Amino acid sequence: KAGVTQTPRYLIKTRGQQVTLSCSPISGHRSVSWYQQTPGQGLQFLFEYFSETQRNKGNFPGRFSGRQFSNSRSEMNVSTLELGDSALYLCASSLTATNEKLFFGSGTQLSVL
Amino acid sequence: DQQVKQNSPSLSVQEGRISILNCDYTNSMFDYFLWYKKYPAEGPTFLISISSIKDKNEDGRFTVFLNKSAKHLSLHIVPSQPGDSAVYFCAASALGAGSYQLTFGKGTKLSVIP
Repeated sequence: KAGVTQTPRYLIKTRGQQVTLSCSPISGHRSVSWYQQTPGQGLQFLFEYFSETQRNKGNFPGRFSGRQFSNSRSEMNVSTLELGDSALYLCASSLTATNEKLFFGSGTQLSVL
Repeated sequence: DQQVKQNSPSLSVQEGRISILNCDYTNSMFDYFLWYKKYPAEGPTFLISISSIKDKNEDGRFTVFLNKSAKHLSLHIVPSQPGDSAVYFCAASALGAGSYQLTFGKGTKLSVIP
């Protein structure tokens, strides 16, 4: 069974641009979560989707948005990029609706110059 | 406000000895706890979990202990192996409150010295 797939693996953008990151969950998983990891900050929750509905949103500005499609694939978008948005963005999927166990992808490393 | 704290950023242990990684939490609503292991350039990998109705869960070389009254959990790795060298994240969830997100600590980097 294929794991969680995130594309692209690396991305370099400049301030003010926008970016879209993609995540394909494990087949059969309907829940997708997004996390941001920065050095020294651990993993911070961005948002979570289940069956195309956003159920939870973390404490991030409105520049961060996401969506989930009917095939459970998910995208997150960051508009008007800032230097501080440079981070590893991790997507995770879960088989159960209660997300007891998350399976993570390898992440998209975003660098904002 | 950091609800899950891993106070040791790093830990070095000799191969074959026990590694003990600690985690404290403040949110009384947390009722499910997990440990993840992360290698550089990879996503975190689930290691072991424990529900708040238990105080211990074991899986091979890995054991997680939960002390609810102290709001403290620990991960024991016995015996430690060089391949265990990674960053370990403690995470918590409030399943009973209908929360679908994990709250992570900042991680502890474990180095197992051959």
